[in-house]
Amino acid sequence: AQSVTQLDSQVPVFEEAPVELRCNYSSSVSVYLFWYVQYPNQGLQLLLKYLSGSTLVKGINGFEAEFNKSQTSFHLRKPSVHISDTAEYFCAVTPRGGYNKLIFGAGTRLAVHP
Amino acid sequence: GAGVSQSPSNKVTEKGKDVELRCDPISGHTALYWYRQSLGQGLEFLIYFQGNSAPDKSGLPSDRFSAERTGGSVSTLTIQRTQQEDSAVYLCASSLLGRDEQYFGPGTRLTVT
Repeated sequence: AQSVTQLDSQVPVFEEAPVELRCNYSSSVSVYLFWYVQYPNQGLQLLLKYLSGSTLVKGINGFEAEFNKSQTSFHLRKPSVHISDTAEYFCAVTPRGGYNKLIFGAGTRLAVHP
Repeated sequence: GAGVSQSPSNKVTEKGKDVELRCDPISGHTALYWYRQSLGQGLEFLIYFQGNSAPDKSGLPSDRFSAERTGGSVSTLTIQRTQQEDSAVYLCASSLLGRDEQYFGPGTRLTVT
């Protein structure tokens, strides 16, 4: 079985500051890892994904994440946030070789203040 | 092209009534998923379809919940005898067979009064 822990339920940050949203996972098998963003009253949009290869993954909107196998982490970062980045962010995993049933973390609400 | 669509966008129903939620996946996507997003439980997997069959129904919370998919396309999630704890946003996603990315619809917000 898999589980995902997002260590911060809320992260307040000022505009143009850097931000890191933390994600740790637990799994007895190898997994693929994802970050999704959800804007108010909208569905989920994929930010980035790690399947294999380079552990630093770049996504849309200037976000990137680093897979750390030894620490079972997949933290999301952005060097300079904008007001428009205010949203809920979800980390998710799915077992390799499966049919991509996503296991989500509880989410982190990023609030960017002017 | 068109994304995943869901209807209705909002549904208010009385406790004990049955409801049907609809999902139209992206054309050509053979895999379809239902998830539920609620305040207490976060985002939970409900059911997975491959074509018209559902090899994984493990996330359906009770036998009041059922789902079907016809023609390898449209899916309907049915909740019978709704309860207040069924209030949530129900999200549908689709993906190509063997592909990893799931595309999500905007969801149906269900409120049981």
